Amino acid sequence: DTEVTQTPKHLVMGMTNKKSLKCEQHMGHRAMYWYKQKAKKPPELMFVYSYEKLSINESVPSRFSPECPNSSLLNLHLHALQPEDSALYLCASSPGIVRTQYFGPGTRLLVL
Amino acid sequence: ILNVEQSPQSLHVQEGDSTNFTCSFPSSNFYALHWYRWETAKSPEALFVMTLNGDEKKKGRISATLNTKEGYSYLYIKGSQPEDSATYLCALGPLIQGAQKLVFGQGTRLTINP
Repeated sequence: DTEVTQTPKHLVMGMTNKKSLKCEQHMGHRAMYWYKQKAKKPPELMFVYSYEKLSINESVPSRFSPECPNSSLLNLHLHALQPEDSALYLCASSPGIVRTQYFGPGTRLLVL
Repeated sequence: ILNVEQSPQSLHVQEGDSTNFTCSFPSSNFYALHWYRWETAKSPEALFVMTLNGDEKKKGRISATLNTKEGYSYLYIKGSQPEDSATYLCALGPLIQGAQKLVFGQGTRLTINP
C-alpha cells in the first residue's frame, strides 16, 4: 500500500459541532503532518508528529486538536470551529522527518 | 518569514512544446527544495527533492535544476502532453526544531492545449 488515505472527502459542520478528520498510511512512515490550504493559497503546515509524538505545533488554535493513536493513523479533532476555518485539510507522511512528504487527497471542510 | 516565489502564476502551452518555470527562495540556511505536481481532486504528487547546489533530477520528460547560491530552481517539461496539465508547487524544506517544515510557493498552473 503506497498511498495516504483521508476520510471523509467532504465535511460540512456547524460552529457548535464536534467532528474528526482521519488520515491513514501503511507505508511504515514515522512522521505525519497536517496542512491547511485556503482557496488560492499554498498549503500551510499545522502540526508535525514524529514517532507518534507531537513535534511541531505552528501556533494552531486549540479548537484544532491533533491525535496520533498509532504509527499508521493521524486524527484531527475539530470543535467550535469558525467559518474562516473552511479549507482543504491535507495529511502527509514521510519515512523520517527530513525526507520527502507524501500527501493524501485532502478533506474539504465547510463550516457554517 | 520565509518567502517562496513561483513564476509564472499560470501558463498555457501547446501540446508538444517544451516549457519551464521558476521557483525562487532565500538562499541562506538552505536544506532542501521539493517539487510537487497537483492535479485537481487528486493528492499532490512528489516529483523531486533536491539538496545540493547544482543538483539535476529527471523523471521521464520532466527535469529540475537547483542553484542554492542564487536561490532558484527551474522545472522543465519536454514535449508537453495534455496529462501534464496540473499545478506545479515548489516547497522549501528548512529544518526547524529538528523537523523539515515545507514552505510552499503559490504554484504555477500549467494548461496544455491539444
